Amino acid sequence: DAGVIQSPRHEVTEMGQEVTLRCKPISGHDYLFWYRQTMMRGLELLIYFNNNVPIDDSGMPEDRFSAKMPNASFSTLKIQPSEPRDSAVYFCASSLKPGFGYTFGSGTRLTVV
Amino acid sequence: RKEVEQDPGPFNVPEGATVAFNCTYSNSASQSFFWYRQDCRKEPKLLMSVYSSGNEDGRFTAQLNRASQYISLLIRDSKLSDSATYLCAVNMKGGSQGNLIFGKGTKLSVKP
Repeated sequence: DAGVIQSPRHEVTEMGQEVTLRCKPISGHDYLFWYRQTMMRGLELLIYFNNNVPIDDSGMPEDRFSAKMPNASFSTLKIQPSEPRDSAVYFCASSLKPGFGYTFGSGTRLTVV
Repeated sequence: RKEVEQDPGPFNVPEGATVAFNCTYSNSASQSFFWYRQDCRKEPKLLMSVYSSGNEDGRFTAQLNRASQYISLLIRDSKLSDSATYLCAVNMKGGSQGNLIFGKGTKLSVKP
């Protein structure tokens, strides 16, 4: 299995621009999670899906953030408009069940200037 | 009290040393516990699950203390390659529901 695949690996954008991050979970994993990691706050859960349905989006910081999962093999996290404080590494992870360990993608390193 | 807390370290130890990390959690109903390893500028990778009866994998031993609400990771005979940040993860909603909350990690540096 190719594992969890994220794209792009790096993104540098100007403040105010729209940013779209992409994730392909491991086939057969029913749960998909979006996390954000910074030095100050560590790994923070933004949102997670079960069978393509958003279950908990309480970690999404603002209305500028939105996430979708149109099918079992694809999810997007969108930031519009982006701000410098959004600079972080965004990880996607998938799991068979929440009680199981997660497999993380390689992450997207976002820099907003 | 924070949901999941770890000593950030760094723990600087010589090769061959034994080192232990603890991780405390706030929700007594939590059922799932894990240790992850994260190398610099890489994604977290699952190191091991933590079972009520404890879990051992080679040089690594994980234990759960429900009464005091913490998990531990023991590394014996440390190798240079063990240098990394170790994150604990706890299911905070109890049972098999909900999501994992991660600690900020403990940095380990093994020196020659």
